Amino acid sequence: AQSVTQLGSHVSVSEGALVLLRCNYSSSVPPYLFWYVQYPNQGLQLLLKYTTGATLVKGINGFEAEFKKSETSFHLTKPSAHMSDAAEYFCAVTPNSGGYQKVTFGIGTKLQVIP
Amino acid sequence: EAQVTQNPRYLITVTGKKLTVTCSQNMNHEYMSWYRQDPGLGLRQIYYSMNVEVTDKGDVPEGYKVSRKEKRNFPLILESPSPNQTSLYFCASRQGRGTGELFFGEGSRLTVL
Repeated sequence: AQSVTQLGSHVSVSEGALVLLRCNYSSSVPPYLFWYVQYPNQGLQLLLKYTTGATLVKGINGFEAEFKKSETSFHLTKPSAHMSDAAEYFCAVTPNSGGYQKVTFGIGTKLQVIP
Repeated sequence: EAQVTQNPRYLITVTGKKLTVTCSQNMNHEYMSWYRQDPGLGLRQIYYSMNVEVTDKGDVPEGYKVSRKEKRNFPLILESPSPNQTSLYFCASRQGRGTGELFFGEGSRLTVL
């Protein structure tokens, strides 16, 4: 069975500082990996995803994530935080296999950006 | 505009009073799913549907029903709501395989007294 662990349910950074949100997965076969963002009072929207190919994935709003198979990680980064980045971020995985591909979400990390 | 529409967005009801949360998507997606979001628990899947007339249980299906009579609609039914079903509910859809992006509705906040 697959699972996702997000370290840190709350992360605070200063405006302009590096954003690092951690995600580790557990799966017998490297899964497909996603990061979603949820702004207040809104649904989730896709930030970026890794399926195959280049392990460094760039997403919207300056975010990127790197798939590291040896570390079973898919951490999300942004070089310089902006006030508008304050939101909740969810890492998600889905099996890289045939048949029904269930999406499993982490518990989420709330990012606070301090002026 | 591609979207997933949920209604109602907010609802306060009482224990035992049947309610339905509607979900409609205009992207001709095969796959639809319902999630509930609770603090500290992330998103948990309630039910999903791979296509018309094909539905299956997710991780937390107790107390819920769904139906998929048309491709665009996937209503969530609470036959006899209880306070532990107070939560934020999301409907989502995607086209086919798991590599695809999930498109989410804006959420329905349900309070059961």
